[in-house]
Amino acid sequence: GAVVSQHPSWVICKSGTSVKIECRSLDFQATTMFWYRQFPKQSLMLMATSNEGSKATYEQGVEKDKFLINHASLTLSTLTVTSAHPEDSSFYICSGGEGVGDTQYFGPGTRLTVL
Amino acid sequence: AQSVTQPDIHITVSEGASLELRCNYSYGATPYLFWYVQSPGQGLQLLLKYFSGDTLVQGIKGFEAEFKRSQSSFNLRKPSVHWSDAAEYFCAVGGSGGGADGLTFGKGTHLIIQP
Repeated sequence: GAVVSQHPSWVICKSGTSVKIECRSLDFQATTMFWYRQFPKQSLMLMATSNEGSKATYEQGVEKDKFLINHASLTLSTLTVTSAHPEDSSFYICSGGEGVGDTQYFGPGTRLTVL
Repeated sequence: AQSVTQPDIHITVSEGASLELRCNYSYGATPYLFWYVQSPGQGLQLLLKYFSGDTLVQGIKGFEAEFKRSQSSFNLRKPSVHWSDAAEYFCAVGGSGGGADGLTFGKGTHLIIQP
């Protein structure tokens, strides 16, 4: 199956700093990429949808100025958590799909801890 | 709005016994349905999906699921579980856009295998 990678797999940062997480589709072109957030022992919540070359679409309640998403190419999307605070600590997971009717493939996730 | 309900938070099954994980969905049109498995430290792996056609779908690792429109259900089954099946299982629903739509996940069912 298709492979999606994320980097870094875990990151610890100080409150107030910004953190960038990369999501790459390794063997397919992801027309659309998605970013999810998963709290401990809970489900995944969709944060935003990004299409290559256009602005991301954010779900209700997700601050677009805090969670900056860039989908610069068909194989790379980045999520930048700006001015991170302890409440932003979470597991962030990306996924990619080739388009309509296709399955989404998920990355292994990035554990963010904000001190 | 679409939603997914997995009524069982934890399920304990003896190794070699049969398994059924329940999933009910709410969606206004024909849903795209998925089952994913998440093991500690690993990304979500797709077990199977239903887009259309035969309502009994076969997946990897011996899993199958049956789509029942009248009951808005998509239960996951396996005739004989193995210790390696212990993991978190998520049911998800997407729109008709398939890979072009973000998924809505259930809260997950934690599967415990007894020796």
